[in-house]
Amino acid sequence: DTEVTQTPKHLVMGMTNKKSLKCEQHMGHRAMYWYKQKAKKPPELMFVYSYEKLSINESVPSRFSPECPNSSLLNLHLHALQPEDSALYLCASSQALENIQYFGAGTRLSVL
Amino acid sequence: QKEVEQNSGPLSVPEGAIASLNCTYSDRGSQSFFWYRQYSGKSPELIMSIYSNGDKEDGRFTAQLNKASQYVSLLIRDSQPSDSATYLCAVANNDYKLSFGAGTTVTVRA
Repeated sequence: DTEVTQTPKHLVMGMTNKKSLKCEQHMGHRAMYWYKQKAKKPPELMFVYSYEKLSINESVPSRFSPECPNSSLLNLHLHALQPEDSALYLCASSQALENIQYFGAGTRLSVL
Repeated sequence: QKEVEQNSGPLSVPEGAIASLNCTYSDRGSQSFFWYRQYSGKSPELIMSIYSNGDKEDGRFTAQLNKASQYVSLLIRDSQPSDSATYLCAVANNDYKLSFGAGTTVTVRA
């Protein structure tokens, strides 16, 4: 079982809203990732958590705030987003940083 | 120079033919190499991983790695319409971050 579950599947928000994306895995993986993917482009790494600690922040604007409450759960808190932030947000997990990453189905975000 | 480069697409092949996808990478210290398939509107799905020089076969898919040439490829034999997708080459660097190529879109003509 390599299932990574992301909710919601779709999200529409205004520029003044606050929303959160959720990612969950029950495979015992200790590394979790957030990626952003624009249409016809490859995924771009945003954040990496390893053993529930933020390991990598790829200079992401502060309007994106990650949180890892426990080893199975990863959140991405969104606040004051811009229309150009509209994209597919992908969560991935791996057993450890050096192992294969498995992706969730993604959350398609539209910022109006 | 981009970290990971893939042959430009789109690639159109007839059903039953071999689709050949190529990828080169710039970081000579890279150790892990992956091919992901992404259907339109869906998330990337791992189809192959390869870590040592040579060939690795899994069903109709064969990955080939040549670290000296910094080159990794994917062959899809007996291509089916269901293989029509974008194929992403991904390379893990020493800091374990995945760098993705731009992707090659494959269309299999029935």
